[in-house]
Amino acid sequence: KNQVEQSPQSLIILERKNCTLQCNYTVSPFSNLRWYKQDTGRGPVSLTIMTFSENTKSNGRYTATLDADTKQSSLHITASQLSDSASYICVVIRSSNTGKLIFGQGTTLQVKP
Amino acid sequence: DVKVTQSSRYLVKRTGEKVFLECVQDMDHENMFWYRQDPGLGLRLIYFSYDVKMKEKGDIPEGYSVSREKKERFSLILESASTNQTSMYLCATRRGGHQNTGELFFGEGSRLTVL
Repeated sequence: KNQVEQSPQSLIILERKNCTLQCNYTVSPFSNLRWYKQDTGRGPVSLTIMTFSENTKSNGRYTATLDADTKQSSLHITASQLSDSASYICVVIRSSNTGKLIFGQGTTLQVKP
Repeated sequence: DVKVTQSSRYLVKRTGEKVFLECVQDMDHENMFWYRQDPGLGLRLIYFSYDVKMKEKGDIPEGYSVSREKKERFSLILESASTNQTSMYLCATRRGGHQNTGELFFGEGSRLTVL
């Protein structure tokens, strides 16, 4: 069954600390994986895309990794800021004519001062 | 920048009412999607459309219908709203065909409450 599991479900950290969010998937065949950030009351916005051949990619203080062998991805946030408080959603795209998207349930991050 | 506009941010309707949720995009994307988002369940696909006048059922189409008469507009219709359709509804677009990278561009969402 094609599934995307994220952990932890929620996380509270102090400002300026680092954190890592996990995404495990069983989607096959794999096309790519995206991390989205969703601020409260807003629509999700893409942070980064990981294709099969990519191991790591950075977008400012956000660094995503992908291990295609173990089917795991992580999103590392460095020196967190209050504005990082949001839900982070991992989405895996199946390789097919339709490009079907499989969503994780998200990790809710709260950064406290 | 892609702009996806949902007509209403907040709606309150009564059970049995017909509800229209409108989504308009300005980037000429072929693919359009309607999702609902509920706590603990994540985003679930209701309907999607790969092009004008085309529509496909998603994972939870029951109680919903859609219309795509023009490329830029995708409407979600609740024929007879029920309380279990209280939710956040998100519209999204994606470039289609061989240019499809899988990135979705979302609207701001429409929070529907059915009393």
